[in-house]
Amino acid sequence: AQKVTQAQTEISVVEKEDVTLDCVYETRDTTYYLFWYKQPPSGELVFLIRRNSFDEQNEISGRYSWNFQKSTSSFNFTITASQVVDSAVYFCALSDPGAQKLVFGQGTRLTINP
Amino acid sequence: DTGVSQDPRHKITKRGQNVTFRCDPISEHNRLYWYRQTLGQGPEFLTYFQNEAQLEKSRLLSDRFSAERPKGSFSTLEIQRTEQGDSAMYLCASSPPVYEQYFGPGTRLTVT
Repeated sequence: AQKVTQAQTEISVVEKEDVTLDCVYETRDTTYYLFWYKQPPSGELVFLIRRNSFDEQNEISGRYSWNFQKSTSSFNFTITASQVVDSAVYFCALSDPGAQKLVFGQGTRLTINP
Repeated sequence: DTGVSQDPRHKITKRGQNVTFRCDPISEHNRLYWYRQTLGQGPEFLTYFQNEAQLEKSRLLSDRFSAERPKGSFSTLEIQRTEQGDSAMYLCASSPPVYEQYFGPGTRLTVT
């Protein structure tokens, strides 16, 4: 069975600090996809990134970066120079190559204080 | 292009009543998913459609739940004889094959 663990329930930092959100996954599939979604207070899940299991290159998008390490089954997310608008619940998710239904972690609530 | 829309956004019902939710996916997305999210938890998969065919249902989806997607366009999720444990946010998402899912704003159900 697939499983995603986000061990950090809540993180609180001061604006402009860097913050890393951890994600560890379990799957028996050799092909799979990993995702990060953001859920702001408004409630709507916002897609951030999708990676497939064959692409271990790290990715950077502005202040966001992702580190995918197959050896440790981790897909961590770093926000550099955090801003108040980054405050949200962040979910890591895993999907199979077929139905591609998402298995979500429990989420990390990130609070950026001014 | 509009995103995924869901109606209603909020529903309060009494235990034992039936409720129906609607989801309109992004046009041309042939896959449509339903998830349920309770407070403090990540969304949990309920069911998904490829075009009009319902291809998988979670064990979370009891006999009181039914979903349809006539003609492969919008979808409805019906809950019969609601129970207090059904109180949750019901999320709909759509995607083309092998791509990320885009979520709607959800329908928050409160069963009193």
